[in-house]
Amino acid sequence: GAVVSQHPSWVICKSGTSVKIECRSLDFQATTMFWYRQFPKQSLMLMATSNEGSKATYEQGVEKDKFLINHASLTLSTLTVTSAHPEDSSFYICSARVGTQNTEAFFGQGTRLTVV
Amino acid sequence: KQEVTQIPAALSVPEGENLVLNCSFTDSAIYNLQWFRQDPGKGLTSLLLIQSSQREQTSGRLNASLDKSSGRSTLYIAASQPGDSATYLCAVVITGRRALTFGSGTRLQVQP
Repeated sequence: GAVVSQHPSWVICKSGTSVKIECRSLDFQATTMFWYRQFPKQSLMLMATSNEGSKATYEQGVEKDKFLINHASLTLSTLTVTSAHPEDSSFYICSARVGTQNTEAFFGQGTRLTVV
Repeated sequence: KQEVTQIPAALSVPEGENLVLNCSFTDSAIYNLQWFRQDPGKGLTSLLLIQSSQREQTSGRLNASLDKSSGRSTLYIAASQPGDSATYLCAVVITGRRALTFGSGTRLQVQP
C-alpha cells in the first residue's frame, strides 16, 4: 500500500511553546490529508481536513488558531500546536488517500505529544 | 450524526480460535467501510476496505463482511495467533464527506 510518513514519532515540550508535526505522502500525491487526535484507550477523532493550496477545514470545537495546519505541497501537510498546554498532550495521527473518498486510507505512524 | 459502535470492547481468546469482531453504524449512507489494526502507541495499519456495493473482502486469515442496509460489518479472524493481539478499529466514510468516522475499537488479546 501507499506510505504516509509522520515526524516526529514523539516529542516532549514545555508548556507555552509550539510544536510542529509533519505528515508526508512518500510515494503519491495527496491534495487532501486528515489530522486526527487520539486520547488514551479512546478512538480517533477528526480534527481537521488539510487541503493543498487552501485553508484547512476544522471540525466543530477545534481551535484553528491553536492547531495551525499548512498544506503547502502535494506531499506535505504540517500541524503546529501553538502555545501548548498539558491538556494538549495526546497522540496525533495523519492520514491520506491516493485517490477519492472511495479509496483506501493510509495512516502515518502517529506522534505522541507530551507537554510538561 | 453517524455513530460507529464496536462490540465487544475487549476480547481475550486462546490461540487457534476463530473469532468475530462486530461493527455497527447508524447511517447506511456510506461510501465504504475500512478495518484497521493498531498496535499500542503505533499508527493504523489498513486491513480491509469494503466498498458500499460489496458484501465482503478477504485477505489471508481475515474476512470482512458488510451489510449496509442493516448498518453492520463483521471482521472474522481465522485460527488466531498471539501476533494478532492488537486493537481493531472499523471506520466508515459517510456519503458527502471525505474523512473517516471511527468506532471505539476492540482490544484483542490472543493467549499463547
